[in-house]
Amino acid sequence: DVKVTQSSRYLVKRTGEKVFLECVQDMDHENMFWYRQDPGLGLRLIYFSYDVKMKEKGDIPEGYSVSREKKERFSLILESASTNQTSMYLCASSPTRTGYEQFFGPGTRLTVL
Amino acid sequence: QQQVKQSPQSLIVQKGGISIINCAYENTAFDYFPWYQQFPGKGPALLIAIRPDVSEKKEGRFTISFNKSAKQFSLHIMDSQPGDSATYFCAPTGFQKLVFGTGTRLLVSP
Repeated sequence: DVKVTQSSRYLVKRTGEKVFLECVQDMDHENMFWYRQDPGLGLRLIYFSYDVKMKEKGDIPEGYSVSREKKERFSLILESASTNQTSMYLCASSPTRTGYEQFFGPGTRLTVL
Repeated sequence: QQQVKQSPQSLIVQKGGISIINCAYENTAFDYFPWYQQFPGKGPALLIAIRPDVSEKKEGRFTISFNKSAKQFSLHIMDSQPGDSATYFCAPTGFQKLVFGTGTRLLVSP
């Protein structure tokens, strides 16, 4: 079974703090993705990566950056957290570049005070 | 950017009934049309998907109907069960990315 794990289920941070969200997948997938999920908005793509040290902006990259130093690990970074970044963050991985199946982690509920 | 419109926002169906969720899209370059299912506290998981050269696909109680000319596809859940209560997302795929709809919260009453 593919397993995607995220470092925290719940996280509370203060405005201005630097926040790291970690994601690890154990199936040697090439592709990894970060989404945020908000009620009424569905899932929106923040960043994605098709290879180590490679990253591409998704639909809402502002205020975020990512790091992929190893194939199995994809980190999302909030350089200076703001209250409008309070959300559920979901990491996903997939084995193929054009495939429609992505495997999701359980999510991190981030609250920025 | 409203590439994908999903309806209804929420749905209550009695046990044994049929649940129908619709998705309309604008981008004709989408190449797969999947539905994802999400239970509380979990990430979404692929439920069923269809290619654009097929008009219908059935897997157990779940069926996708696809209307290419109308740029719409729908999910039908036959004999709905309380265990089907979840949030459902359409997520047409194109340019190597999924584009998620806004989600439909389904509640199947016992």
